[in-house]
Amino acid sequence: SQQGEEDPQALSIQEGENATMNCSYKTSINNLQWYRQNSGRGLVHLILIRSNEREKHSGRLRVTLDTSKKSSSLLITASRAADTASYFCATDWEGKSTFGDGTTLTVKP
Amino acid sequence: NAGVTQTPKFQVLKTGQSMTLQCAQDMNHNSMYWYRQDPGMGLRLIYYSASEGTTDKGEVPNGYNVSRLNKREFSLRLESAAPSQTSVYFCASCFARSYEQYFGPGTRLTVT
Repeated sequence: SQQGEEDPQALSIQEGENATMNCSYKTSINNLQWYRQNSGRGLVHLILIRSNEREKHSGRLRVTLDTSKKSSSLLITASRAADTASYFCATDWEGKSTFGDGTTLTVKP
Repeated sequence: NAGVTQTPKFQVLKTGQSMTLQCAQDMNHNSMYWYRQDPGMGLRLIYYSASEGTTDKGEVPNGYNVSRLNKREFSLRLESAAPSQTSVYFCASCFARSYEQYFGPGTRLTVT
């Protein structure tokens, strides 16, 4: 069974707007990671946040983690058409990663 | 560096045929993984190898076997393919458990 569940399933925004995606999970984690997948391609790692961290930034990406609520969010600021992709969260526990079904983001020029 | 490479890129099998998917990484990573991705879904872990010489089952191991041939290579074998194994298969590697994973380009497998 999938541990991480992303919300929303699909998101469509205009270029320049911010995009927020959420991930909820059910059990303990060592860390949580976000990945991007362009259509028909492999996944690309975006950011990793450890279970004892609450917020992390990387360029236009901001990730938060609330272990008490078992949830994480990914914020992409000032979105670009090139950000159009599917975004997945993955929870890590004892060396195994469990992926959610993803959020499909469409950024319209 | 080539990163993570997978062969073949595409494969069509008939039900009952066998095949091996190959994966290699040149980043000196210790851990390697095999996932499958069905349409509109996330990745599900088939098998993983935390280090050379060890392999463990993931979420959906039935119908598959793996071999960690050496530190670089991790193969996935389908002994008797079934239509339910039609999927895109991704190999990934990482330095160690709970580090970021690097993915190969995938193998699109169709079983008729």
